[in-house]
Amino acid sequence: KQEVTQIPAALSVPEGENLVLNCSFTDSAIYNLQWFRQDPGKGLTSLLLIQSSQREQTSGRLNASLDKSSGRSTLYIAASQPGDSATYLCAVKRGYGGATNKLIFGTGTLLAVQP
Amino acid sequence: KAGVTQTPRYLIKTRGQQVTLSCSPISGHRSVSWYQQTPGQGLQFLFEYFSETQRNKGNFPGRFSGRQFSNSRSEMNVSTLELGDSALYLCASSLFSANEQYFGPGTRLTVT
Repeated sequence: KQEVTQIPAALSVPEGENLVLNCSFTDSAIYNLQWFRQDPGKGLTSLLLIQSSQREQTSGRLNASLDKSSGRSTLYIAASQPGDSATYLCAVKRGYGGATNKLIFGTGTLLAVQP
Repeated sequence: KAGVTQTPRYLIKTRGQQVTLSCSPISGHRSVSWYQQTPGQGLQFLFEYFSETQRNKGNFPGRFSGRQFSNSRSEMNVSTLELGDSALYLCASSLFSANEQYFGPGTRLTVT
């Protein structure tokens, strides 16, 4: 059974700092991994999608890496800003590809960027 | 292009009642999935639909059901509501199963 863990559960950093969020999964047979952010009481905003054949994806100040063999992904946020404060969630889709769209979510990291 | 929309945004129901939530996917998207989010259990998969067919179902009781219409809009229904059904219900859509999924703003259901 796939399990997804995110460490740390909460993180507080001063504005301008670079930071790394971690995501671990127990079954390396994944199809892709997606990072989301969630603001309080809101839906999920997709940040980055990494296919299983890829090693990393970048979007602006965000960079996500994937190491399937070790069951790990990291989300790097450069030059953090107060507007980055949110809960960050990673989710994996199992390796059957088109057979299912089911995502297994981690428990999230609550990020607070202090001005 | 409009995003995923969910209605209603907020709902208060009494134990024993039933409720229907609606989700309109991004135009052209054919896959719709539903998730329940609670503080204790996090985000849990309910079910997914593709071209009006349920393709996968999570580990939830039969009180939870859903359907998808020919225009890809989807509804989920919860019958005989329990206090533990209070949650944020999120809907996600994608073009096909291999693609990135986009989530709606959710429906906040409170059962009293």
